[in-house]
Amino acid sequence: GAVVSQHPSWVICKSGTSVKIECRSLDFQATTMFWYRQFPKQSLMLMATSNEGSKATYEQGVEKDKFLINHASLTLSTLTVTSAHPEDSSFYICSASLGAGEVETQYFGPGTRLLVL
Amino acid sequence: GQNIDQPTEMTATEGAIVQINCTYQTSGFNGLFWYQQHAGEAPTFLSYNVLDGLEEKGRFSSFLSRSKGYSYLLLKELQMKDSASYLCASLDSNYQLIWGAGTKLIIKP
Repeated sequence: GAVVSQHPSWVICKSGTSVKIECRSLDFQATTMFWYRQFPKQSLMLMATSNEGSKATYEQGVEKDKFLINHASLTLSTLTVTSAHPEDSSFYICSASLGAGEVETQYFGPGTRLLVL
Repeated sequence: GQNIDQPTEMTATEGAIVQINCTYQTSGFNGLFWYQQHAGEAPTFLSYNVLDGLEEKGRFSSFLSRSKGYSYLLLKELQMKDSASYLCASLDSNYQLIWGAGTKLIIKP
């Protein structure tokens, strides 16, 4: 149980284009989803926390207009990297938790590797 | 401030035992997690401790001392597939995970 999928797993795009990454909880309803970014040899950096039906909460230093998050249902959250630039190249990982009142074990998606040329 | 400390890298021999330590300072505490992350992959959940003591789960055990702000992950009978990064994360009073930088464990034959 508690499987999270991400799509796509790999994306290469040109500078200036927008990229959408989907995160789905396959066998449970995720009240809360998290988006992380991880640069090589570094730990996870939380970008934002999204709750279904409300606006995402962004971490300090993360541009909300650049990284658009939509959590339209209890099983789907999307991250759109708008006008991507080479410095946005990274490993983007989503995770989902069962939500309030539960131990906040996070179940991670397999990650999306973004390369911006 | 909030801080998680763990060693950057450790080396151990196949079949041996290794202990990865983690110290934490967070605003409030609601538990300590250990995750395993293989290179190029997302983390996978290993353990969660909120009470003092040792939790054993097969070859892996996790220990917590809340008074000392200290945890360790113990891996027994090491296998080559255990080569990975091990991430320590503390759940703070806002139920937000504060992540350590991870410990890269290298297993040698």
